[in-house]
Amino acid sequence: QLQLQESGSGLVKPSKTLSLTCAVAGDSVSSEGYSWNWVRQPPGKGLEWIGCISHTGSTYYNPSLKSRVTISVDKSMNQFSLRLTSVTAADTAVYYCAREGGFRYGRGDGMDVWGQGTTVTVSS
Amino acid sequence: DIQMTQSPSSLSASVGDRVTITCRASQNISNYLNWYQQKPGKAPYLMISAASTLESGVPSRFSGSGSGADFTLSIGSLQPEDSATYYCQQSYSLRAFGQGTKVEI
Repeated sequence: QLQLQESGSGLVKPSKTLSLTCAVAGDSVSSEGYSWNWVRQPPGKGLEWIGCISHTGSTYYNPSLKSRVTISVDKSMNQFSLRLTSVTAADTAVYYCAREGGFRYGRGDGMDVWGQGTTVTVSS
Repeated sequence: DIQMTQSPSSLSASVGDRVTITCRASQNISNYLNWYQQKPGKAPYLMISAASTLESGVPSRFSGSGSGADFTLSIGSLQPEDSATYYCQQSYSLRAFGQGTKVEI
């Protein structure tokens, strides 16, 4: 059974870089037909899609975050990562990683497996 | 960018009621529309994909319809465990979520 587990720094200082990793167990990040996503949720607010990476390594980013975001994959470790630079208090959120199925030509069939989420606080 | 607009933002209903949530995309997204349920402190859960395909294990009282830019999520007979926030999400071009609809019972 596929499981995703986020890890990384829970407290980040303003202007620094947020780094998170999502470990994938039960499937391969190289499996065809899937994308690997990052989604965040500020306290008391809705869901915001950050971006994703496909099994081919193609990346897609939310235009509002694109200048600050990098998503990469480490096939040897079977994990994918998020880097968000120049963080501010507005980046404080629960960060989720998720798998999307049916990925083809940039389109997909919904995020069917999620990690439990990790809380990141931006504060000095 | 494709924007997703849900309505209402919240609703209160009774057990057994039929509830409908609407979601509108800012452009045609064919049937690339998914619905998620999220309970407090938990990750979202995919309920419906491709506008109307019920995911495995989701009760049949949930249904989705629509295509193009207008979509609906219906709960046929509301149950206490359906109290949650529901989000629509487009997967046609990049990805975007609606702002959510909180369902209280």
